[in-house]
Amino acid sequence: DAGITQSPRHKVTETGTPVTLRCHQTENHRYMYWYRQDPGHGLRLIHYSYGVKDTDKGEVSDGYSVSRSKTEDFLLTLESATSSQTSVYFCAISESPANTGELFFGEGSRLTVL
Amino acid sequence: GENVEQHPSTLSVQEGDSAVIKCTYSDSASNYFPWYKQELGKGPQLIIDIRSNVGEKKDQRIAVTLNKTAKHFSLHITETQPEDSAVYFCAASSRAGTALIFGKGTTLSVSS
Repeated sequence: DAGITQSPRHKVTETGTPVTLRCHQTENHRYMYWYRQDPGHGLRLIHYSYGVKDTDKGEVSDGYSVSRSKTEDFLLTLESATSSQTSVYFCAISESPANTGELFFGEGSRLTVL
Repeated sequence: GENVEQHPSTLSVQEGDSAVIKCTYSDSASNYFPWYKQELGKGPQLIIDIRSNVGEKKDQRIAVTLNKTAKHFSLHITETQPEDSAVYFCAASSRAGTALIFGKGTTLSVSS
């Protein structure tokens, strides 16, 4: 299994509070991604990173920000959580661009916003 | 925008039958089409992929076909087994090639 650790794995928070999810990898892969998974919507890309300090938006980036200050860590921040951000969040990594090889996914972080 | 449609959303088959899942993509620039399998409580895992210069690829009981003209690709599972029960996602590479756009998933149930 690829060395990907997501934390926390489960979190319950209240509307309006900030939340940060962390993805840590031990593979030294250049590319990292944050997806959210919701019933009826599948996996939707939030943000991705193609190198340290290099990030770009995905299809559902509103309300989320990311940071990547070192190769191994990719942080996803909800500045002010809303109930619509209740979801399961998956981090993924890849050695090369997404159109050339495999994405390895973490185990997911379940976030509930009350 | 870039979009991937996946059908059916649920599929129930008897053990030993075949299962087919179909996807269509919108961006003609997409050139990579992987399929991922997600078991309960886990992250998705790649099971097979195909590139735009290939029409069909097979790996034991699973195969993928691609029709670039129609922008369709399909996953075929033969001789299904209970352990094939999972959620399957198709995906297509984005125009820039830097991310994958996923379909909404198909829940496959194989009963013995």
